[in-house]
Amino acid sequence: DQQVKQNSPSLSVQEGRISILNCDYTNSMFDYFLWYKKYPAEGPTFLISISSIKDKNEDGRFTVFLNKSAKHLSLHIVPSQPGDSAVYFCAASGDSGGYQKVTFGTGTKLQVIP
Amino acid sequence: NAGVTQTPKFHILKIGQSMTLQCTQDMNHNYMYWYRQDPGMGLKLIYYSVGAGITDKGEVPNGYNVSRSTTEDFPLRLELAAPSQTSVYFCASSYSGPRNQPQHFGDGTRLSIL
Repeated sequence: DQQVKQNSPSLSVQEGRISILNCDYTNSMFDYFLWYKKYPAEGPTFLISISSIKDKNEDGRFTVFLNKSAKHLSLHIVPSQPGDSAVYFCAASGDSGGYQKVTFGTGTKLQVIP
Repeated sequence: NAGVTQTPKFHILKIGQSMTLQCTQDMNHNYMYWYRQDPGMGLKLIYYSVGAGITDKGEVPNGYNVSRSTTEDFPLRLELAAPSQTSVYFCASSYSGPRNQPQHFGDGTRLSIL
């Protein structure tokens, strides 16, 4: 069962426009959400996070929105830059089965076109 | 400022052979993790450790073993390698649990079993 879903495998956006990456989750025990960015041949790097007590968190060009009732979060990148081209993973964490578990989505490959 | 270092970066293993993937971190992090990423999939947790001498299974532990004799090192052992273990393996660390702490990842080990 895929508890964290990123239904769009890829996304193409023009440079300077907004990129919106979406993520849905099914487990109501998740209470902390993260976005990671991954370049080819490198490990994921942390980008931004949000706690379930908030509905928005902003860091420069990156904003994450959380809609708990819909079990949905999104990452907005404004303005998009060619260096943002990467795979973005959504992750969710919370106590599960006795240990602190992080569940990753399958990733969305973002291409920012110059 | 090395962070999380994984060796080797690439390896080809024959079916039935054994090998150890190395992981070391220099951030004095208590928590360490091993994930595997198969094509088109998210990261799956193999094993994790909350401190030296303490390890526990994740979602997909079969066919693997770990040890944590020091804070810095968390090697992953593959016994009797099988083609299903062909994957990219990522080691990660965090100061405290993943519930509210982002993880720092190594650059991965790409393992092929033929």
